Amino acid sequence: DAGITQSPRHKVTETGTPVTLRCHQTENHRYMYWYRQDPGHGLRLIHYSYGVKDTDKGEVSDGYSVSRSKTEDFLLTLESATSSQTSVYFCAISSQGYNEQYFGPGTRLTVT
Amino acid sequence: AQSVTQLGSHVSVSEGALVLLRCNYSSSVPPYLFWYVQYPNQGLQLLLKYTTGATLVKGINGFEAEFKKSETSFHLTKPSAHMSDAAEYFCAVSHPWSNRDDKIIFGKGTRLHILP
Repeated sequence: DAGITQSPRHKVTETGTPVTLRCHQTENHRYMYWYRQDPGHGLRLIHYSYGVKDTDKGEVSDGYSVSRSKTEDFLLTLESATSSQTSVYFCAISSQGYNEQYFGPGTRLTVT
Repeated sequence: AQSVTQLGSHVSVSEGALVLLRCNYSSSVPPYLFWYVQYPNQGLQLLLKYTTGATLVKGINGFEAEFKKSETSFHLTKPSAHMSDAAEYFCAVSHPWSNRDDKIIFGKGTRLHILP
């Protein structure tokens, strides 16, 4: 299995609070992705990175920001969490943007 | 536009019966195609992939898929379903020879139910 970890695995937070999710890889892959998964919507891309300090928006980026200061770490921040951001968040990595992605175990976030 | 369509959000088959999950894609350039499986409370796992060459691709757990360019399809099959195959399956496409080669496009998924 690809070495991908996500932390925390579960989090409950209140509306309006900032939240940061971490994705850590040991594969030295260039590309990293953040998705959210919700019933009826499948996987939706939030943001992705194609190198250190190189990031781009996905289809549902509003309310989220990301940072990648090291190859192995990709952080997703909800500046002010809302109930609509309650979801399961997955990180994925890939050696090239068009190659297969390997997924982390997910973070279940509940915003009350 | 590049997209992936999975026919049927839920599919039920009896244990021992053929599994067929349908996937159609749209692409203006030769695609890479993938099938992933997701078990409850887990991340997605790669089942198989097509890049170039042989159009019939074999994956893990007895699954296979055939790339049919003329039909723009990449359907997933397994001859005999097991209870352990109950999961959600995602088809995905990427475009290595386009200016959008930096991500994979996922279908919305098909949940496979196995009936005893």
